[in-house]
Amino acid sequence: AQRVTQPEKLLSVFKGAPVELKCNYSYSGSPELFWYVQYSRQRLQLLLRHISRESIKGFTADLNKGETSFHLKKPFAQEEDSAMYYCALRDYNTDKLIFGTGTRLQVFP
Amino acid sequence: ETGVTQSPTHLIKTRGQQVTLRCSSQSGHNTVSWYQQALGQGPQFIFQYYREEENGRGNFPPRFSGLQFPNYSSELNVNALELDDSALYLCASSSGQVGVEAFFGQGTRLTVV
Repeated sequence: AQRVTQPEKLLSVFKGAPVELKCNYSYSGSPELFWYVQYSRQRLQLLLRHISRESIKGFTADLNKGETSFHLKKPFAQEEDSAMYYCALRDYNTDKLIFGTGTRLQVFP
Repeated sequence: ETGVTQSPTHLIKTRGQQVTLRCSSQSGHNTVSWYQQALGQGPQFIFQYYREEENGRGNFPPRFSGLQFPNYSSELNVNALELDDSALYLCASSSGQVGVEAFFGQGTRLTVV
């Protein structure tokens, strides 16, 4: 079954601390994975995708096919990173996005 | 601003009623997907429309139906509303190409009482 798992509902860190938001997936075939972010009172927006291998706002995510993971990392958290983060997988057969349940990141000053 | 707009922003309906939600896709996008996001959950795929035809459907009953118009805007219709239909309904538009970003609207908050 295709599934995305985000084990942490809430992650709280202090400013300047490293952050790792976990994401594991289950998918038969080559997955296309994304991280979406939703800041307070704003719409869901794409943060990064694995095929781009880019760093956005200091965040990176590496696809590990052996561990079926796509964890989101940032070495030094900022207060403005506080938001809801969703990991998502694209199902090529239907072109739908399969989302995890999300992790709320709180960065304290 | 992504250009995907949804209306209305909030809606209250009574159980058993019918509701229509609307989505205007971003200019140049021919694919619209609808998602349901219940409280505390991630968005769940309802269905997708590509050039006015349904192009994929999630695990939602037939009382969830949709339309896409020649200008690629879209409607989501839900008949015989149930209390569990209360959720945030999200519309996303894209150009339909693999690897291309989908842009989300701000959502319609539906409350069924």
